[in-house]
Amino acid sequence: EAGVTQSPTHLIKTRGQQATLRCSPISGHTSVYWYQQALGLGLQFLLWYDEGEERNRGNFPPRFSGRQFPNYSSELNVNALELEDSALYLCASSLAVALTYEQYFGPGTRLTVT
Amino acid sequence: DQQVKQNSPSLSVQEGRISILNCDYTNSMFDYFLWYKKYPAEGPTFLISISSIKDKNEDGRFTVFLNKSAKHLSLHIVPSQPGDSAVYFCAASAEPARQLTFGSGTQLTVLP
Repeated sequence: EAGVTQSPTHLIKTRGQQATLRCSPISGHTSVYWYQQALGLGLQFLLWYDEGEERNRGNFPPRFSGRQFPNYSSELNVNALELEDSALYLCASSLAVALTYEQYFGPGTRLTVT
Repeated sequence: DQQVKQNSPSLSVQEGRISILNCDYTNSMFDYFLWYKKYPAEGPTFLISISSIKDKNEDGRFTVFLNKSAKHLSLHIVPSQPGDSAVYFCAASAEPARQLTFGSGTQLTVLP
């Protein structure tokens, strides 16, 4: 069974630009979560999508946004990039919300803002 | 305010011995707890979980213990193997939010 996939692996952007990160969940999983792991910090929750709807967001500014497509894949958009947005962005997926709490993570996208 | 705390940044154990990783939490609304293992430049890998209605869950070499009154959980790895060397994160979740709140991680090194 294929795991969670993310693209691109690495992304280098300039301050002020926009970044788009993509995630494909495990087949059969309907929930997608996004987390940020900045250098020296732990994993911080960003966004949760389930059945195409944004269910919850963490303590991040509105320039962090995303969406979930009908095939349950998701993209994370970061507008007006700042240097401190440099981090590993992790996507996780899980089965339907009512069934489980377990989330399975992809390998991440390393975003570098210069 | 750190709701999930892993107070030991690192732990070294000898191969074959028991590894005990600890985690404390402050939010009494958490009702599900998980442990993940993470290698550098990879995403976290799910290891084992426990619901707040239980106090122990086993899966092979991994056992998680939950002490709700102390708001403490621990992960036991027996026997420890060099391949277990990684950063271990505990995480907690609560209805209806469902997102995971992670601890800061413990670097486990298993010495051959």
